[in-house]
Order: sequence, then C-alpha cells, then structure tokens
Amino acid sequence: QITLKESGPTVVKSAQTLTLTCTFSGFSLTTSGVGVAWIRQPPGKALEWLALIYWDDDKRYSPSLKTRLTITKGTSRNQVVLTMTNMGPVDTATYYCTHFVGGTNFDYWGQGTLVTVSS
Amino acid sequence: QSVLTQPPSASGTPGQRVIISCSGSSSNIGSNTVNWYQQLPGTAPKLLIYNSYQRPSGVPDRFSGSRFDTSASLAIYGLQSEDEADYYCAAWDGSLNDWVFGGGTKVTVL
Repeated sequence: QITLKESGPTVVKSAQTLTLTCTFSGFSLTTSGVGVAWIRQPPGKALEWLALIYWDDDKRYSPSLKTRLTITKGTSRNQVVLTMTNMGPVDTATYYCTHFVGGTNFDYWGQGTLVTVSS
Repeated sequence: QSVLTQPPSASGTPGQRVIISCSGSSSNIGSNTVNWYQQLPGTAPKLLIYNSYQRPSGVPDRFSGSRFDTSASLAIYGLQSEDEADYYCAAWDGSLNDWVFGGGTKVTVL
C-alpha cells in the first residue's frame, strides 16, 4: 500500500525559504521508472505542478518556478525534500507530494499541507 | 489562465450522463496522453483516468475517458451524489516542458 505524507511549516514569512518533506512508504525511490513529484493548489484554484525527482536522481522543474525550486532525496531513503526560496503571498497553497510512475501518472497523493505566507 | 481549458461547471440529476471537456493544443493533448483527477471536497486529488482512457483499479466503470486530436473528455454515466467533486485534466506539454492542468470543472448533482 503506497502512502505519502507532507510535513513542514504551516506559516512562513515573505522572502523566507520554504522547506517541505515528503515521507512515503509502500514503494522505493530506487525502482526504475518511479518518481516523486510536488504539486500545489492555491485556495479555490487549480492544480500546479512544481517539481519531479526520478529514481535515478534526474530532476525536472516547472519552467516558471525553476529558479526558486530545489528537489532532492532526503537523508532517509523514504523521503523527498522540496525547497522554495523567496516566498510571497501568492505562494499560499496546499502543497501535495505524489508518487509518479509510468512516465505520465501522478497516481498516489499525500493528504497535502497548507502553507500560508504572511506579509 | 490554464493551458488546458475546461468548463467551470457541469451538472446533472442522478442517473444522467455528464460530459466534461478538456481542450488543449498540439503540444500537449495532441501528442501526449491525458489524465483525469477527481477531487472530493476537502480532500486530495485522486487519479481517475490515466493514459486518456484507462481506469485504475477500484474506479467504477461509470467513468470513461476519451481523447481526439487536441481535446479530451471525461464522461460520467449514471451520475451519483457521491460524484459531486472537482475534476481536473492534465497532460505533459512538450513545448513548455511542463505538466499542465485544466482549470477544473465542478460537478453538481441536482
């Protein structure tokens, strides 16, 4: 059974750096073809893909946010970390981590964590 | 403004069929498969359709996906009250090098 859970601060101040951790179970990030992605959703708005890390450490980023994002495997083998620099009020959103497989599918999602950016 | 265009809302009575459209371009839907996600109120999205028409295990066959040219559709047959949710389409865009989502369609069961 695949599960994922996001953790991190619920409030950050403008200009600060956000660090979120995704802790997962039920799969290995060393298995060929597997990845972990981050997707966010501002309140009442649509989903937005942020970043993706593959089993072989290949990384992909949203072009519009690339300069602010870093995705890495965590120190524990079942964790992925996302950092986003220079946070602003528009970055207030629920941040989800997802399991990625088959080259196209975000098939399992964490419950999400709401991050509010205060000015 | 989302890269993929969906109607903001759709509705139907129990038992009816509802169809949600997702319009894109040659760089996304026109050349890549489409996924659909269902987001029940207050919950995380759930994969509903992948590879344009396939259903993950456990998804009722009342949900059906299709793709033609630069558009895709999600059909819900035999609409039920538990289908009230937001539905999102998504695809890889090879020109933008970005995963793109639709703006979402809120389905209401009357």
